[in-house]
Amino acid sequence: DTEVTQTPKHLVMGMTNKKSLKCEQHMGHRAMYWYKQKAKKPPELMFVYSYEKLSINESVPSRFSPECPNSSLLNLHLHALQPEDSALYLCASSQVGGRTEAFFGQGTRLTVV
Amino acid sequence: DAKTTQPNSMESNEEEPVHLPCNHSTISGTDYIHWYRQLPSQGPEYVIHGLTSNVNNRMASLAIAEDRKSSTLILHRATLRDAAVYYCILRDLISGGYQKVTFGTGTKLQVIP
Repeated sequence: DTEVTQTPKHLVMGMTNKKSLKCEQHMGHRAMYWYKQKAKKPPELMFVYSYEKLSINESVPSRFSPECPNSSLLNLHLHALQPEDSALYLCASSQVGGRTEAFFGQGTRLTVV
Repeated sequence: DAKTTQPNSMESNEEEPVHLPCNHSTISGTDYIHWYRQLPSQGPEYVIHGLTSNVNNRMASLAIAEDRKSSTLILHRATLRDAAVYYCILRDLISGGYQKVTFGTGTKLQVIP
């Protein structure tokens, strides 16, 4: 199983809502990532978890709150988002170390209204 | 982070070979060179990676310059399904065992029937 599964595929939320994005992998990877991708732009790294601990936060606003409850799951909790946060949110996982590839999910298309 | 530079776009005729260049003049000795591609409306997909020697797999070949300051992804026979944005990425191994996967602007490959 070489899949990274993201749910939901699409999400529309209001600026006062609280929602969560979910990412799951069963490849035994101990590094997991959240990326944000705006239209026609490359993915931008948001967070990196390594061995279930937050390793990197790329100065992401606190309205985005990541969580890694176990080695297979990664969540991104959303609260009080702005319309400019509308984007494709991608999850990825990899073995720790640069020698191996990262696997990406298909993303969650988020629209903030 | 070491940066990569790629042409914004390239065109290829179907069933012709394609050479996608990438410059990474500030690469460090332990950076692995990874290539990913992103098809429309999908998450990025791993293509190939290498450290110093040229690499081949079923999807493509990777040619790495002797000084490692540039590399070329080679698609031996482009098909319409190869139309995508191709990203050249340096895997930056940070102390502690975790790492970033940071995307550059990528090359949009158009395949002409």
